Amino acid sequence: DQQVKQNSPSLSVQEGRISILNCDYTNSMFDYFLWYKKYPAEGPTFLISISSIKDKNEDGRFTVFLNKSAKHLSLHIVPSQPGDSAVYFCAASYLTGANNLFFGTGTRLTVIP
Amino acid sequence: GAGVSQSPSNKVTEKGKDVELRCDPISGHTALYWYRQSLGQGLEFLIYFQGNSAPDKSGLPSDRFSAERTGGSVSTLTIQRTQQEDSAVYLCASSLTQYNSPLHFGNGTRLTVT
Repeated sequence: DQQVKQNSPSLSVQEGRISILNCDYTNSMFDYFLWYKKYPAEGPTFLISISSIKDKNEDGRFTVFLNKSAKHLSLHIVPSQPGDSAVYFCAASYLTGANNLFFGTGTRLTVIP
Repeated sequence: GAGVSQSPSNKVTEKGKDVELRCDPISGHTALYWYRQSLGQGLEFLIYFQGNSAPDKSGLPSDRFSAERTGGSVSTLTIQRTQQEDSAVYLCASSLTQYNSPLHFGNGTRLTVT
């Protein structure tokens, strides 16, 4: 049962525009959310995280928004750059003595120059 | 840099053979994780270590899979009697602490069972 869902397998955006990647989750116990970026033949790289006590976290061009009532989070990249082209994974965890991350299936972002 | 190191990067094996995959976590990271990614799928949790103990083995798909961690550092994932459905990229990650700490991943081992 997929507890973290990324319903868009791919997204194409023009360079300089905003990229919005979406993620939904079903487990209301999740309290920590992360976005990872993955290039081919490499492991996922941590990008940005957000705790459930916040609804927004910003780091440079990357902002993550959390809507707990809707069990939805999104990653905004502004402005998008060709080097941002990668697969983006959403992940979530909850504080039960483990740091097991539940991952979505990923969204492939292509930024067109 | 001193990132998570996995070996081998690629492994081709015949069905029925045993394989061992190795992970060297970032120095000082207490938690270590194994995930796998099958073709077209997300990352699937396999097992988690805190120090040398494995409080969560819930993701191991069958008793052919086992893992150990020694000295609070290096971990080995062993798959016995490999099957074609075991073909995947096996990713190791480590994190500084057990709680709400980002995982840092290695580049993975691509396992192909023929």
